[in-house]
Amino acid sequence: QVQLRESGPGLVKTSETLSLTCTVSGGSISTSYWSWIRQPPGEGLGWIGYISYSGSTNYNPSLRGRVTISLDTSKNNFFLTLTSVTASDTAVYYCARHKGYGQTTDAFDIWGQGTLVTVSS
Amino acid sequence: SNELTQPPSVSVSPGQTASISCSGDKLGSRYVSWYRQRPGQSPVLVIHQDRKRPSGVPERLSGSNSGNTATLTISETQDVDEGDYYCQAWDSNGGVFGGGTKLTVL
Repeated sequence: QVQLRESGPGLVKTSETLSLTCTVSGGSISTSYWSWIRQPPGEGLGWIGYISYSGSTNYNPSLRGRVTISLDTSKNNFFLTLTSVTASDTAVYYCARHKGYGQTTDAFDIWGQGTLVTVSS
Repeated sequence: SNELTQPPSVSVSPGQTASISCSGDKLGSRYVSWYRQRPGQSPVLVIHQDRKRPSGVPERLSGSNSGNTATLTISETQDVDEGDYYCQAWDSNGGVFGGGTKLTVL
């Protein structure tokens, strides 16, 4: 079955760039849509954005201008880049697969285990 | 506003029925999904498209959505149902989550 695994630095300095990788195993990245979702410590979930199997993207307006999601179909990976980070970007970051194709019926049916990223000076 | 509002907490006795609400402007015109998150774990999809259960989710969990409110109902509540529950929908800006409801089985 499809599994997702996030990887990347656990500590990022204030004002620098956060970069994470989601590795997809057990299935092809080229057949679904994929999202990044984050959860600050002790808080709720927040959608960051998604990328389609063809590379089209949609981002949370609150992060637009700082966020980029991309994919590498040859390696079955997709990526999150968040620039100019502050302490408020400290969170567990999850990657997730869409049950659907970028429509309003979409749900997130498979999630990674999450990775904690701390932003500190 | 496209925010989704959930009660912070719901308590229920074992074997009883728990209902968790999710409110938003004209929410009934959008599809709602529900996720359960146990402490230290990733969220798990339990309801999508208002009322559909993924494989492996027991029939005790059901969903509805009408007007401005979606509801997740858990009947014959068990200890395994404890956790944080989040509703989620899509609007013109993308994905939106409710603030989450902590379900406690007393």
